[in-house]
Amino acid sequence: NAGVTQTPKFQVLKTGQSMTLQCAQDMNHEYMSWYRQDPGMGLRLIHYSVGAGITDQGEVPNGYNVSRSTTEDFPLRLLSAAPSQTSVYFCASSYSGTRGEQYFGPGTRLTVT
Amino acid sequence: AQTVTQSQPEMSVQEAETVTLSCTYDTSESDYYLFWYKQPPSRQMILVIRQEAYKQQNATENRFSVNFQKAAKSFSLKISDSQLGDAAMYFCAYRSARGGADGLTFGKGTHLIIQP
Repeated sequence: NAGVTQTPKFQVLKTGQSMTLQCAQDMNHEYMSWYRQDPGMGLRLIHYSVGAGITDQGEVPNGYNVSRSTTEDFPLRLLSAAPSQTSVYFCASSYSGTRGEQYFGPGTRLTVT
Repeated sequence: AQTVTQSQPEMSVQEAETVTLSCTYDTSESDYYLFWYKQPPSRQMILVIRQEAYKQQNATENRFSVNFQKAAKSFSLKISDSQLGDAAMYFCAYRSARGGADGLTFGKGTHLIIQP
């Protein structure tokens, strides 16, 4: 099993550009989520999904879109990047919404200039 | 909303010694989970230990153990026989057991330094 994979590992964008951060898991997990990590902060929840076709907002959803068309994939879209979105982004998954341990991907470091 | 507080931005310990990292949390729920995650310089998030709130027994994983005080809403991590590989950021995290609930709520982390 590859576990949770994220691409790319690093990305530099200009303000206003759009891009999609990819996340995939091969563990047949129902629950997937996106977090961002800023210096001096813990991880904060952006969006999450409890299954294919179901998504919901977390603590810091503004500026981000998600969709979940398959169990395996949960992409995060930045429609118009802003410098405030410079951060490290983590994708995580687990077997169920509450009881399962969350497995994290390796993270994507995004810089918006 | 739940909050998680780690009051020690940085801790330093001699190799082979014992260190305790503090965590407090605030919640109105009675059923939840608590976690300690380790983040080394590689930035990979690694689960160290988990505790179910309904269990009175403190969780233990090899050299790592917790002191879970539910009434005080305290969840500290004890690392025994510290090793150089333990150097990392440590994050305390909370997760509701409520069905359909969202993800983890993290503290700001404690940077653990191991002195050789």
